[in-house]
Amino acid sequence: KNQVEQSPQSLIILEGKNCTLQCNYTVSPFSNLRWYKQDTGRGPVSLTIMTFSENTKSNGRYTATLDADTKQSSLHITASQLSDSASYICVVRKTGGSYIPTFGRGTSLIVHP
Amino acid sequence: DVKVTQSSRYLVKRTGEKVFLECVQDMDHENMFWYRQDPGLGLRLIYFSYDVKMKEKGDIPEGYSVSREKKERFSLILESASTNQTSMYLCASSLTGPGFGNIQYFGAGTRLSVL
Repeated sequence: KNQVEQSPQSLIILEGKNCTLQCNYTVSPFSNLRWYKQDTGRGPVSLTIMTFSENTKSNGRYTATLDADTKQSSLHITASQLSDSASYICVVRKTGGSYIPTFGRGTSLIVHP
Repeated sequence: DVKVTQSSRYLVKRTGEKVFLECVQDMDHENMFWYRQDPGLGLRLIYFSYDVKMKEKGDIPEGYSVSREKKERFSLILESASTNQTSMYLCASSLTGPGFGNIQYFGAGTRLSVL
């Protein structure tokens, strides 16, 4: 079964520190991978999307990497802020026109002052 | 600006009641989805629709039905609510077609409690 596994399940860091979230997937054939940020009580919002040919993509203080050979992605957050406290969800889509992406269970990040 | 609107943010219902959750999108998207989200389990797909009057079961359709009479509106129906359907319900929509992305836009969610 196609799966998306995220680690760690939860993470607590101090404001200003960096952190890295991991996503491993077995979804095949691979089309693209997207990271979503979900604030408490809100719906997920897309942060970045990466296709097979892309290794790194940045969105402000968020940098996503993709290694399609090892089927791993990471989301690096630089100089964390209190507003980064949220759940981060990795989502992988297959090729072939499938409407249905596969969701990871998310990493819950708490940034303390 | 992209918008997916869910009719209620919070809902409290009694066991056995029929419950309607409404979702409206203003982006002319073909695809619409209903998910439930529970702690530790992530988002699980209940039903999706790729066109008006078309629907497909997701991973956990039992106890739910859906209706899509108009392109912009996708309704989730709990025929007889049970306590194990207490959850956060998220609606999403996306375009169809080639190219990467087909980004899903999510509503703010409806937190349903069944007592």
